[in-house]
Amino acid sequence: DTAVSQTPKYLVTQMGNDKSIKCEQNLGHDTMYWYKQDSKKFLKIMFSYNNKELIINETVPNRFSPKSPDKAHLNLHINSLELGDSAVYFCASSQRRVTLERTEAFFGQGTRLTVV
Amino acid sequence: LAKTTQPISMDSYEGQEVNITCSHNNIATNDYITWYQQFPSQGPRFIIQGYKTKVTNEVASLFIPADRKSSTLSLPRVSLSDTAVYYCLVGDGPLFDSGAGSYQLTFGKGTKLSVIP
Repeated sequence: DTAVSQTPKYLVTQMGNDKSIKCEQNLGHDTMYWYKQDSKKFLKIMFSYNNKELIINETVPNRFSPKSPDKAHLNLHINSLELGDSAVYFCASSQRRVTLERTEAFFGQGTRLTVV
Repeated sequence: LAKTTQPISMDSYEGQEVNITCSHNNIATNDYITWYQQFPSQGPRFIIQGYKTKVTNEVASLFIPADRKSSTLSLPRVSLSDTAVYYCLVGDGPLFDSGAGSYQLTFGKGTKLSVIP
């Protein structure tokens, strides 16, 4: 009954390959996110997606693209992988609220991507 | 985006109370203050959230002074299992004007808490 699940947990691949990481949430949330945590443990937002509106962090290379087949899924596709893409990628979800109150986000366990 | 400043690391012995202070001098009127906890090899986990004064739940307390330019996360009687990175976040409001808005969590560098036996 995992709230936010990601697959795979570990991914090792060669430079230049294209790979995908899947994310599913069973919380009924309407907003999903992808975060990247680098070797220095800085956690940076990459994308947020809700109601078919995608918000992209401008620092994210266009080799990265999120794809949402439905409200419960937000997959991350990465083309032409580079060594610098090695990191832990976290998926998260939350319920958008039209109030002043910040909403709690639920994170997956992360996918450790290693590009060799 | 409101910027936050926290100590990079802290050490504490088991059983002690730990207070982690976060500075957010340019917090906006509408912003809430939220703390997340991250264990090694896991995603961040929500701990507590507040707007002003004091908030307490089963895990921690959050103290926010009247000027809201800082906040203090208080963990009572820490144990070894509280060893983690603690992130202070300040709300950045809706990102577009559709009326609904979308909230992004902006994480700072966090405070690495090490609990010593």
